[in-house]
Amino acid sequence: RKEVEQDPGPFNVPEGATVAFNCTYSNSASQSFFWYRQDCRKEPKLLMSVYSSGNEDGRFTAQLNRASQYISLLIRDSKLSDSATYLCVVNVDSWGKLQFGAGTQVVVTP
Amino acid sequence: EPEVTQTPSHQVTQMGQEVILRCVPISNHLYFYWYRQILGQKVEFLVSFYNNEISEKSEIFDDQFSVERPDGSNFTLKIRSTKLEDSAMYFCASSTQGRVEQFFGPGTRLTVL
Repeated sequence: RKEVEQDPGPFNVPEGATVAFNCTYSNSASQSFFWYRQDCRKEPKLLMSVYSSGNEDGRFTAQLNRASQYISLLIRDSKLSDSATYLCVVNVDSWGKLQFGAGTQVVVTP
Repeated sequence: EPEVTQTPSHQVTQMGQEVILRCVPISNHLYFYWYRQILGQKVEFLVSFYNNEISEKSEIFDDQFSVERPDGSNFTLKIRSTKLEDSAMYFCASSTQGRVEQFFGPGTRLTVL
């Protein structure tokens, strides 16, 4: 089983629509969870941390289900600038080792 | 806003040559990392560094790799004898603690010919 698994997409989303996707992780001892976005050939940029109670940052909502070991991201009112690859990232130990999913590609169309 | 910087942005080298990739982490961060991303693949952890020593390394980080913090600001990754399969984007990252968000530099694209 892959350490962090994501649907690669692409998710083709009309501008203004809502899109949601999730990822699963294998290490039950994982403590910290994040969504990063990555534009083509660029560095991962932190989108948001994911907390057990779920959290929202503007149009973005993240949820964590520890029992089922999955994390979700929902984007409301999609903008053209939301087109990117979204990386599900799990911190597996206190030294900061991050495990990355392969990413979910989102394409927002006019 | 403080950011991680990396130099060079692109490095081309011949197989068997040594390369040094340089990073300047965010100034008040204490944990430093190197990751790599082969084209079309996911980002992979190489090494974490804290308190002037390696705290963890992956299987990829073999004897050909080393890291150093030669002064109070730079953090370097050295590959002693590059192989074709070392061609990748190398990202430096830093964080204030081990379990919080990490901030990534723009990367160095290493091409081994």
